[in-house]
Amino acid sequence: KAGVTQTPRYLIKTRGQQVTLSCSPISGHRSVSWYQQTPGQGLQFLFEYFSETQRNKGNFPGRFSGRQFSNSRSEMNVSTLELGDSALYLCASSLGGQAGEKLFFGSGTQLSVL
Amino acid sequence: AQKITQTQPGMFVQEKEAVTLDCTYDTSDQSYGLFWYKQPSSGEMIFLIYQGSYDEQNATEGRYSLNFQKARKSANLVISASQLGDSAMYFCAMREGRGGTSYGKLTFGQGTILTVHP
Repeated sequence: KAGVTQTPRYLIKTRGQQVTLSCSPISGHRSVSWYQQTPGQGLQFLFEYFSETQRNKGNFPGRFSGRQFSNSRSEMNVSTLELGDSALYLCASSLGGQAGEKLFFGSGTQLSVL
Repeated sequence: AQKITQTQPGMFVQEKEAVTLDCTYDTSDQSYGLFWYKQPSSGEMIFLIYQGSYDEQNATEGRYSLNFQKARKSANLVISASQLGDSAMYFCAMREGRGGTSYGKLTFGQGTILTVHP
């Protein structure tokens, strides 16, 4: 069974641009969550999508948005990039239906903002 | 206040020996879940072990076991028979609540870098 796939693996953008990251969950998983990892702030929860609906959101500005498609694939968009948005962005998938289930992560997208 | 605290920024262990990575947590929920993940230099977060707050037995997964002490709010990871490939960053994480709106939301600690010496 294929794991969580994130594309692209690396991305370089300049300030003010926007970027879209993609995440394909494990087959059968309906929940996709996004996390930002930086050396200073560690791992922080961005948002979670389940059945094409955002059902949980972290404390990030509105420049960070996402969506989920009917096949459970998810995209995350960051508009008007800032230098501080440089980070590893990880997505995780799970079945989405039970409290005790495990979250499985992808390898992440390393975003550098110049 | 920190919800997940990992007090060991770095740990060293000799190959084939056991090592314990510390994790304490803070929550007012009765129902919660605790996770440990391993992050090698490649960046991928690898699931290691899960413990539910109502689980009476400590979780075990191969060489990994979770020493769950609910009253002390600690969930330490024990790695037995360390291998060179165990060198990585290790994160403790918590999911609060009975799922509901919290299914995909984990709160992570700052991590512990484990180095295994030959």
